[in-house]
Amino acid sequence: KQEVTQIPAALSVPEGENLVLNCSFTDSAIYNLQWFRQDPGKGLTSLLLIQSSQREQTSGRLNASLDKSSGRSTLYIAASQPGDSATYLCAVRRETSGSRLTFGEGTQLTVNP
Amino acid sequence: DGGITQSPKYLFRKEGQNVTLSCEQNLNHDAMYWYRQDPGQGLRLIYYSQIVNDFQKGDIAEGYSVSREKKESFPLTVTSAQKNPTAFYLCASSFSGRPQHFGDGTRLSIL
Repeated sequence: KQEVTQIPAALSVPEGENLVLNCSFTDSAIYNLQWFRQDPGKGLTSLLLIQSSQREQTSGRLNASLDKSSGRSTLYIAASQPGDSATYLCAVRRETSGSRLTFGEGTQLTVNP
Repeated sequence: DGGITQSPKYLFRKEGQNVTLSCEQNLNHDAMYWYRQDPGQGLRLIYYSQIVNDFQKGDIAEGYSVSREKKESFPLTVTSAQKNPTAFYLCASSFSGRPQHFGDGTRLSIL
């Protein structure tokens, strides 16, 4: 059974800092890994999707890396801003689970002005 | 604009009552999903449907039921058998094998 863990559970940083969020998964037979953002009381917004054959994806100030063999992914946020404050979730799609996703518990990020 | 609409935004359930959460999408997606989110936790899959008139149980289907009579609609009923229904419920849809798009959720509470 696939398990996904995110560390830390919460993170508070001053504005402008670069930061890293971590995601680990137990079954390396994944099809892809996705990072989402969730604002309070809202649904999920997809940030980055990394296919199993890729090592990283970038979008603006966000960079996500994937090391399938070690079961790890990181989301790097450069020059953090107060508007980045949200919960960040990672989810993996297994090779054998069709479209089903397994989610981590999320990291709640607060960027202080 | 294309998207996923969940209603109502807030819902209250009385003891022994069944309640139904609505999810409609106009993205022409084949697959639809229902997730439950508890405070400080990730999403857990309740039910999913890959095509009309077909659906499969997810990881926590007990106490819930769904139907998929139309491509654009995937309602979720929380039955009285679900003893701890208080949670945030999220609906998603996707083309088969493609990334999922999410609605804004329904928050269900017990009266």
